[in-house]
Amino acid sequence: QITLKESGPALVKPTHTLTLTCTFSGFSLTTNGVGVGWIRQPPGKALEWLAIIYWDDDRRYSPSLQRRLTITKDTSKNQVVLTMTNMDPVDTATYYCAHMFFGVAIDYWGPGTLVTVSS
Amino acid sequence: EIVLTQSPDFLSVTPKEKVTITCRASQNIGSSLHWYQQRPGQSPNLLIKYASQSFSGVPSRFSGNGSGTDFTLTINSLEAADAATYYCHQSRRLPITFGQGTRLEIK
Repeated sequence: QITLKESGPALVKPTHTLTLTCTFSGFSLTTNGVGVGWIRQPPGKALEWLAIIYWDDDRRYSPSLQRRLTITKDTSKNQVVLTMTNMDPVDTATYYCAHMFFGVAIDYWGPGTLVTVSS
Repeated sequence: EIVLTQSPDFLSVTPKEKVTITCRASQNIGSSLHWYQQRPGQSPNLLIKYASQSFSGVPSRFSGNGSGTDFTLTINSLEAADAATYYCHQSRRLPITFGQGTRLEIK
């Protein structure tokens, strides 16, 4: 079955760079149509899409955060990495990675990881 | 960017009732509209894809309808386990966007 799990620091200082890793199983990021994306959710607020990387290495970003985000994949390790630069307290959120097929519905989600930005 | 507006923001209903949540898109998205349930402290779960297709394992009490700009999620015969926040999501055009959420309370 498909599973995903996020890992990374729970606490990040302002202006620092956040690096999150999504480790998945049950599918391959070399399969036609498959994508892994990142979505975040500030405490008590709505979901916000950040980025997605597809099987063919196509990468798309949220326009409002594009200059701060980089998404990469390591198909040999079944991992996707998201980096976000210049972190600010407003970036405090639970960060989810998720599986999509041909960019349609988000059918599988990781449990999420809470990242707090504070000095 | 396509904006999704859900209504209402909050619902409080008794068990066994039926509820309908609406999602309106700022432009035509065809049927590229999906619904999720997020229970407190959990990640979202896909309920309905492509406006009306139930995802595997989702109870038949959940149904979706609509196309173009107006969509609905209906939950029949509410149960205590349905207490959650419900989100719509469009995949018609990047950037992917979500509605603001509708919180459902079971009295």
